[in-house]
Amino acid sequence: DIVMTQSPDSLAVSLGERATINCKSSQSLFYSSNKKNYLAWYQQKPGQPPKLLIYWASTRESGVPDRFSGSGSGTDFTLTISSLQAEDVAVYYCQQYYSTPYSFGQGTKLEIK
Amino acid sequence: EVQLVESGGGVVRPGGSLRLSCAASGFTFDDYGMSWVRQVPGKGLEWVSGINWNGGSTAYADSVKGRFTISRDNAKNSLYLQMNNLRAEDTAFYHCARDETVGTTVYWYFDLWGRGTLVTVSS
Repeated sequence: DIVMTQSPDSLAVSLGERATINCKSSQSLFYSSNKKNYLAWYQQKPGQPPKLLIYWASTRESGVPDRFSGSGSGTDFTLTISSLQAEDVAVYYCQQYYSTPYSFGQGTKLEIK
Repeated sequence: EVQLVESGGGVVRPGGSLRLSCAASGFTFDDYGMSWVRQVPGKGLEWVSGINWNGGSTAYADSVKGRFTISRDNAKNSLYLQMNNLRAEDTAFYHCARDETVGTTVYWYFDLWGRGTLVTVSS
């Protein structure tokens, strides 16, 4: 099974500053036949279900603000919020969909400093 | 409105059974694979089970294999999860989620989620 590990577990960033969340997988998520990384990012606000932000490691879901970006390949990935807004306070999860069971990271709690 | 609405949660004793339902609306249900993802209150996410567009392919997490059964009824735009031999560790919110599907290929990331139904296993 693929294990997903996020860092840090929690993060406090000032409004307008950059927030960076890392995600590492125990094996490569790169599928050579289509040259895609099978990695997604989600945002979950209190009392709400998760919301898809990024898929294929770097493709932004429709309607997601462009301050959210994803990068990385293979086993190391990053979610970056370029200029933190108050509404970005949430828990963020990465998820691999390379192979079953489709596992999530433990989550990173993002707060305002 | 595009949405997923779960129902069927409740309190059940260890060893008991429950059947969860998920009603889909606002999109062509049989164009998509579907999954169940659970979350212990205040904790992280765990994928439980998935099914392709016509029910011909299913998959389960090891923690539920042999106890849970996923199914769907495309005529009713509904997804189900039959849960047997429930354990205390199955206590969680159970979310229904839509899998991205291109043609007949399911990519198991989740672009639409329901709010969840709470299952509590307790004596």
